Amino acid sequence: DQQVKQNSPSLSVQEGRISILNCDYTNSMFDYFLWYKKYPAEGPTFLISISSIKDKNEDGRFTVFLNKSAKHLSLHIVPSQPGDSAVYFCAASRLSGSARQLTFGSGTQLTVLP
Amino acid sequence: KAGVTQTPRYLIKTRGQQVTLSCSPISGHRSVSWYQQTPGQGLQFLFEYFSETQRNKGNFPGRFSGRQFSNSRSEMNVSTLELGDSALYLCASSPGQAGNYNEQFFGPGTRLTVL
Repeated sequence: DQQVKQNSPSLSVQEGRISILNCDYTNSMFDYFLWYKKYPAEGPTFLISISSIKDKNEDGRFTVFLNKSAKHLSLHIVPSQPGDSAVYFCAASRLSGSARQLTFGSGTQLTVLP
Repeated sequence: KAGVTQTPRYLIKTRGQQVTLSCSPISGHRSVSWYQQTPGQGLQFLFEYFSETQRNKGNFPGRFSGRQFSNSRSEMNVSTLELGDSALYLCASSPGQAGNYNEQFFGPGTRLTVL
């Protein structure tokens, strides 16, 4: 049972345009959400996060939106740059016992075309 | 500050063998988590160690085990390897305070190929 879903395995966008990556979750116990970016042959790196008490968080070109009623979050990248081409993972965090556990989606390969 | 290191970076084994992967977390971090990444499956959580104790565990068979040493370094062991164990194994470290969300910092991974 996939609790965090990224239904688009790939996305291509023209340089300078907006990239929108989507993520859906099913477990209402998740209270913190993150996006990670991964280049080939490297581990994922943290990009941006949002607490469940907020609906938007912005950091430079990156904005994450959270719609709790729809159990949906999205990452907007504006403007998109060729260096943004990578796999983007959505992740959700919840308390499991005394520890927090991260559940990842399957990733979306973003390609920004020059 | 040095990042998370994983050794070896690449490994080729045959079915039935066992393998041990190593992870050194960022200095001062006490939590180490392990993930398996396969195409189309994203990152699947294996287990988390904190202060030498397994604090959390994912849904993997008992062939997958781990441990953590007093210096927070962690090892992951897979016994009786199967073809389906071929994957990128990622280790992530964090400060690990209970209850609070701590950002996880990932190593580059170990690419395991089982023939």
